[in-house]
Amino acid sequence: GDSVTQMEGPVTLSEEAFLTINCTYTATGYPSLFWYVQYPGEGLQLLLKATKADDKGSNKGFEATYRKETTSFHLEKGSVQVSDSAVYFCALSHSGGSNYKLTFGKGTLLTVNP
Amino acid sequence: DAGITQSPRHKVTETGTPVTLRCHQTENHRYMYWYRQDPGHGLRLIHYSYGVKDTDKGEVSDGYSVSRSKTEDFLLTLESATSSQTSVYFCAIKIGGTDTQYFGPGTRLTVL
Repeated sequence: GDSVTQMEGPVTLSEEAFLTINCTYTATGYPSLFWYVQYPGEGLQLLLKATKADDKGSNKGFEATYRKETTSFHLEKGSVQVSDSAVYFCALSHSGGSNYKLTFGKGTLLTVNP
Repeated sequence: DAGITQSPRHKVTETGTPVTLRCHQTENHRYMYWYRQDPGHGLRLIHYSYGVKDTDKGEVSDGYSVSRSKTEDFLLTLESATSSQTSVYFCAIKIGGTDTQYFGPGTRLTVL
């Protein structure tokens, strides 16, 4: 079945540092890939998405590129801020599948210190 | 936020009692989902619905039932709550014509 593996946390960075959170997946066909963010005490917000190979999703300075050859969708940001402290989830969905359900990674806690 | 509300937002109950969580949406989306979030597991699908009275099981459906009698409401019922069902429950909708889901604010359920 489908699965998503993302790097174990927690990740602690200083403000303005470069961020990478690794995400790899196992799935048949051509899933859509997502990053969701969960700020403390809140629900999940869609951060970015990509629906086909080589697509780059971007939002709020975050980027991720859909790499079919390495089955990866790594999240990057060039300069993190304290306000980026949150839990980040990588997820996949099969386009055109019968239920479009999301399969999630376990989440990565990011803490950014001033 | 795709017009999704969940109620209650917090609930504490005792083992063996029935519990119903409600998800309400205002935009007539066809697909709705219930997930649970637990530390070390990410989110896992409990049940989903693809239309009024059309529902199906997800990967962790044991101990849960759902109903959808109208488009805007999707109810999750724990017939007899157990401590293993202590969790945060999220409802989601899928935007038509895409595979993108948006989530409600969540319900924190504690079963003592």
